[in-house]
Parts: sequence; C-alpha cells; structure tokens
Amino acid sequence: QSALTQPASVSGSPGQSITISCTGTSSDVGSYNLVSWYQQHPGKAPKLMIYEGSERPSGVSNRFSGSKSGNTASLTISGLQAEDEAHYYCCSYGGSSTWVFGGGTKLTVL
Amino acid sequence: EVQLVESGGGLVQPGGSLRLSCAASGFSFRSYYMHWVRQAPGKGLVWVSRINSDGSSTSYADSVKGRFTISRDNAKNTLYLQMNSLRAEDTAVYYCARASEYTYDYWGQGTLVTVSS
Repeated sequence: QSALTQPASVSGSPGQSITISCTGTSSDVGSYNLVSWYQQHPGKAPKLMIYEGSERPSGVSNRFSGSKSGNTASLTISGLQAEDEAHYYCCSYGGSSTWVFGGGTKLTVL
Repeated sequence: EVQLVESGGGLVQPGGSLRLSCAASGFSFRSYYMHWVRQAPGKGLVWVSRINSDGSSTSYADSVKGRFTISRDNAKNTLYLQMNSLRAEDTAVYYCARASEYTYDYWGQGTLVTVSS
C-alpha cells in the first residue's frame, strides 16, 4: 500500500496546458484501468474530475482529460484557468479491496 | 441531492477511542459501498477503510488494521468508523465518501480528529 508518485507541484499560465503524472506499480495502476483524479481547493472536500482512467463525470469541463500508459496515469488540463488552481490527487484500486492515493500535486496558475 | 455529513470528531488523548458517523441522504444508501478517507493537516489523501453495501465485507489500510472498525446501519442511513488505540499520527480530517464502482463520486465535508495529550 505505498502511495502513488505525483510531482509535488506544477505550474502554467492561463490558456496553457499542463499534465500531472501519477506513477504506481504493476499491482495497482498497471493492473487496472481504475485510476480516478480529484481536485481539492483549500478547506474543501475533494471533487471527482476523472474516473476509470479517462472518463469525465457529468458537469466536469472537457478541458480535463485522463490517460494511462503502463504503470503511469496522467491528468491533462488544457486552456488553464485561474479556478483550476488547486491540489490534484490520483487514486487507483490496488487489488484485494484496497485503494491507494497519490501524494498530491499543487497546481499553480501563474 | 446527495449529502454526506460527518460528525464525531474532536480532541482525544493517545490510546483513546472515538466513533465517527456519516449521515447519508439523497440516495439509496443501502445500495452503495462506502469508504473513509483521511487527510492529515497539510498532507495528502489516504484511504482508510471500505465497507460493502450490506456490511458483510470490510477492508482496511495496514496502518489502521486491528484498531479501526467500519460499520453501517442501512436502516439509519449512517456509516460509522470506530477508532481505538488512537495515535498522534491518526490526527487528520476524516472524510466519508460514496463509492460508485471503484470511484468516489460524492464526499462529505469531513470531521477533524486530533490525537494529543
């Protein structure tokens, strides 16, 4: 149950695109297409942004997209906006009825 | 509207116990798996525990196994987390979350647990 690896921080200017990586192992990210991504603003509860690797819930902007290659999942945000500034967490099913989160990435919109 | 409201947090001494509750409304509670996820101050999210829809199956993170017990009362639409032998490192905001398949689609606002003497 080791945490997934995310960069501590990323930044971008308004209108640009950024990608946040989430690296796990062949026991979690690599074994299942069950990575989800959550956005968390300070003092708020997390919000689901992407599920099952690349699916977007109703109401989430199509500027958010997800993908996976091997043991690494990625979240891409295009057309950065000021309100995208937040922490982002990936989460994967880890097998045997366990789940594992990434350490989180702070996105700064310059 | 789906609502999850946690309660029961507070200050407790090391070695003490606390029971958290999560009151659910706006959906068929008995049909969903539920989870607890925690977040230490200034830190990331950590999965704690999961319970299936009828309460017959549970799972735990290694860090809480043997000390925490998840349960639910479907008649009361309420999820619980009994926390025993609390340690300083259990200090965190505890969120309950509804699971849709393997995804958390709704979260509560959290309840803060502080373990300190």
